[in-house]
Amino acid sequence: DTEVTQTPKHLVMGMTNKKSLKCEQHMGHRAMYWYKQKAKKPPELMFVYSYEKLSINESVPSRFSPECPNSSLLNLHLHALQPEDSALYLCASSSRVGSGGQETQYFGPGTRLLVL
Amino acid sequence: GDSVTQMEGPVTLSEEAFLTINCTYTATGYPSLFWYVQYPGEGLQLLLKATKADDKGSNKGFEATYRKETTSFHLEKGSVQVSDSAVYFCALSGGGADGLTFGKGTHLIIQP
Repeated sequence: DTEVTQTPKHLVMGMTNKKSLKCEQHMGHRAMYWYKQKAKKPPELMFVYSYEKLSINESVPSRFSPECPNSSLLNLHLHALQPEDSALYLCASSSRVGSGGQETQYFGPGTRLLVL
Repeated sequence: GDSVTQMEGPVTLSEEAFLTINCTYTATGYPSLFWYVQYPGEGLQLLLKATKADDKGSNKGFEATYRKETTSFHLEKGSVQVSDSAVYFCALSGGGADGLTFGKGTHLIIQP
């Protein structure tokens, strides 16, 4: 089973709202990732968690706040977003960060976010 | 830094045609190479992968061979179907904790 689940599927929020995106995997993977994808573009890496610790933050604005409560869950807390933050947010997981295929990432279906 | 170059399209083919989507890469070390497919309104699905030179990845009739001498990982399928219409991303992983490097994606349209 290579399933990564994400909730909600769609989210509409105002610029003053606080919301959270959730991601879950039960493959025993120890690396989890958040990506942002704009229309007709490839995904852009936002954050990497390795063994529940934040290892990469790709200069993402502080209005995006990731959290990894345990090895199966990854959250992305959203606050005071801008309309240009509207995008598809994808979660992914891999066995671990590394090489030789262990870094193969499996993606969830994404949350489509619209900021008004 | 690492980079991936692929034809952007759209690529339009008739059903049962032969498909090739070119992908070349630049990377230090020995990356793993991947093809992902994204159907409309969905996330990315791993289509196939290769982790070392001369490896051939295959799945659902698609194939790609890791060619170190030409730094390429071209995607091929002998007979495409309408259901293959999607966006295809070539990607590499350098083995570090820095996620995947993607190409810009190729939009494939298969006409009946």
